[in-house]
Amino acid sequence: QTVVTQEPSLTVSPGGTVTLTCASSTGAVTSSHYPNWFQQKPGQAPSTLIYSTSNKHSWTPARFSGSLLGGKAALTLSGVQPEDEADYYCLLYCGDAQLWVFGGGTKLTVL
Amino acid sequence: QVQLKQWGAGLLKPSETLSLTCAVYGGSFSGYYWSWIRQPPGGGLEWIGEVSHSGSTKYNPSLKSRVTISVDTSKNQFSLKLNSMTAADTAVYHCARGFSGSPVDIWGQGTMVTVSS
Repeated sequence: QTVVTQEPSLTVSPGGTVTLTCASSTGAVTSSHYPNWFQQKPGQAPSTLIYSTSNKHSWTPARFSGSLLGGKAALTLSGVQPEDEADYYCLLYCGDAQLWVFGGGTKLTVL
Repeated sequence: QVQLKQWGAGLLKPSETLSLTCAVYGGSFSGYYWSWIRQPPGGGLEWIGEVSHSGSTKYNPSLKSRVTISVDTSKNQFSLKLNSMTAADTAVYHCARGFSGSPVDIWGQGTMVTVSS
C-alpha cells in the first residue's frame, strides 16, 4: 500500500514563511493525487485547508497556499501567526487502489 | 450552515461490532461523499472509507473485510459498522462530508471509541 511521508516536525518564527511537503512512496505527486491539507490543533477535530492541490475553502486564511513542488505536494504558510502552531496532515488519492491515504503529519512549532 | 452530528457506543469489548451513525443538518445530502476517518490516541489520521449519496462505497483495503458504510437518504444519515473490534481499533472516529477532489470539507465532532475487556 502507498505510504505518504511528511516532515515529522518543523519550527518557524512568527512572521516567517515555512513549507511543508508531502511525498508518495509510488513516485512523484501530481494533480491526479488531488492533494488535500488539514490543520489540527490539540483536542480539536481537524480543519480542512486546501483541496485538489491548491484550492482553498472559504474559511482558509489567505496566508495558506498549496502547490506541487519537486515531485511533492506542498503547503506554504506565509507570515506565520502564533495560532498556526498545530499538526498538519496531507491526504493523497491513490487512483489505482481507489483509496485515500493520509500522511503521518507534521508538527509545526511557532517559536 | 452544514453540521454533522454523530453518535454511537463509546466502549466495546474485543470481538464486538462498532456501530456509529452521522446525521447531516442544514445542507443537501445528495451530490456529496460521506466518509469515516479515525485517529488513535496520540496518532495520525486514517481514512476508513466513503459512501456516495447513491450508496456506492470505497473502503481502505486494510479494513475492507470488517467494514460496512451505508447511507439512509430518507433520514439524511450515514453509518459505519466495523466488526471484530480489537484494542488496535481504539480511536476517535470522525464522520465527514466531501465532494470530488475534496474528500473531507466538513468534519463531525468525533466519537472516542475504546475497546477493552
